[in-house]
Amino acid sequence: DSGVTQTPKHLITATGQRVTLRCSPRSGDLSVYWYQQSLDQGLQFLIQYYNGEERAKGNILERFSAQQFPDLHSELNLSSLELGDSALYFCASSSRTGEGTQYFGPGTRLLVL
Amino acid sequence: ELKVEQNPLFLSMQEGKNYTIYCNYSTTSDRLYWYRQDPGKSLESLFVLLSNGAVKQEGRLMASLDTKARLSTLHITAAVHDLSATYFCAVEEYSNYQLIWGAGTKLIIKP
Repeated sequence: DSGVTQTPKHLITATGQRVTLRCSPRSGDLSVYWYQQSLDQGLQFLIQYYNGEERAKGNILERFSAQQFPDLHSELNLSSLELGDSALYFCASSSRTGEGTQYFGPGTRLLVL
Repeated sequence: ELKVEQNPLFLSMQEGKNYTIYCNYSTTSDRLYWYRQDPGKSLESLFVLLSNGAVKQEGRLMASLDTKARLSTLHITAAVHDLSATYFCAVEEYSNYQLIWGAGTKLIIKP
């Protein structure tokens, strides 16, 4: 158990809908990262937050947005969903002290029908 | 722009054999990470390599880093079926601390 929690574990929805994925980082970690993993595209970095501020953006679509709250949990919002958005979404957290390892949550499996 | 290449991308091997996965990267970095992912599961940190010449070992897995060659290797000794998984390397980008990920090596070890 990495200490990172994600909810829900599974999500089935329809095209055009909007969903919110939630992540709680390890205790004390200020950085949260979101990743998308689909079968044909490997692990894609979406966005990073550090202590409530956006730190870096990767291949995140405009239909997707995220935020990190004062209690450091983070939410990833996916809107106008398309079939191609079906994937595993991982959240990871890290501390800048120490080795900088990112610890991954169990993921949310999203299926868009 | 930092690029990370792993090879091979797919490896099928017999139990008891040795093999090496390679991770090459294109620009300067001092931090390299290896992760393991079982099918449908999350990523698990295996090793963190923080300096040139760093070597770490855990069981049948050994990772090393050569920052001058911009190369890390993950060596599997006397493979067992339980090591079947996808292995990712990730390199920290020097300028902004972001991790750049390799495509992953899917390792299948046959009994």
